[in-house]
Amino acid sequence: TQLLEQSPQFLSIQEGENLTVYCNSSSVFSSLQWYRQEPGEGPVLLVTVVTGGEVKKLKRLTFQFGDARKDSSLHITAAQPGDTGLYLCAGYSGSARQLTFGSGTQLTVLP
Amino acid sequence: DAGITQSPRHKVTETGTPVTLRCHQTENHRYMYWYRQDPGHGLRLIHYSYGVKDTDKGEVSDGYSVSRSKTEDFLLTLESATSSQTSVYFCAISGSPGTEAFFGQGTRLTVV
Repeated sequence: TQLLEQSPQFLSIQEGENLTVYCNSSSVFSSLQWYRQEPGEGPVLLVTVVTGGEVKKLKRLTFQFGDARKDSSLHITAAQPGDTGLYLCAGYSGSARQLTFGSGTQLTVLP
Repeated sequence: DAGITQSPRHKVTETGTPVTLRCHQTENHRYMYWYRQDPGHGLRLIHYSYGVKDTDKGEVSDGYSVSRSKTEDFLLTLESATSSQTSVYFCAISGSPGTEAFFGQGTRLTVV
């Protein structure tokens, strides 16, 4: 079983602060996805990274895939209350036809 | 929004009773997945399907079975529900592994 560990599990910050969420594994993934989930809803894809060292930006969100394709990070600049939600990373390896999800980071941005 | 519907959205059932959850898609995606979500565990894969009548186990498949007789429907059955199966269940679809997965709104199941 391929495991993805996310840290921190909970994060509560003030509006305007920056934050980083980490997703780590001992396994190599072909690609890694980040999802955001709001209460009562299913997760929604934010980004997919596929190349080691890849950096993708989505407005105030910056996603990075580790050089060895075993880890990833999500950095949010100047967080806003609308960023509040559960952030999940998910890795896909070619040997398994499934996505393995991390345990999630619950982010709360206080106004 | 991807056309994916889960039913029922909420269910309370007694220990030992059979329960079937339904996932219906209108996107004609080949892959369908059942996950359960529990606090501190993220999403854990129960079973998945890669075509009609083609299914395989995920990491937490014990106590669950699935069936897919049509492209659009993927059923999850708890043969004899236990309290440990109280959870929120999500169905997801994707065109191929590793591509974007679209999720349903979830089914909250409580086993008493």
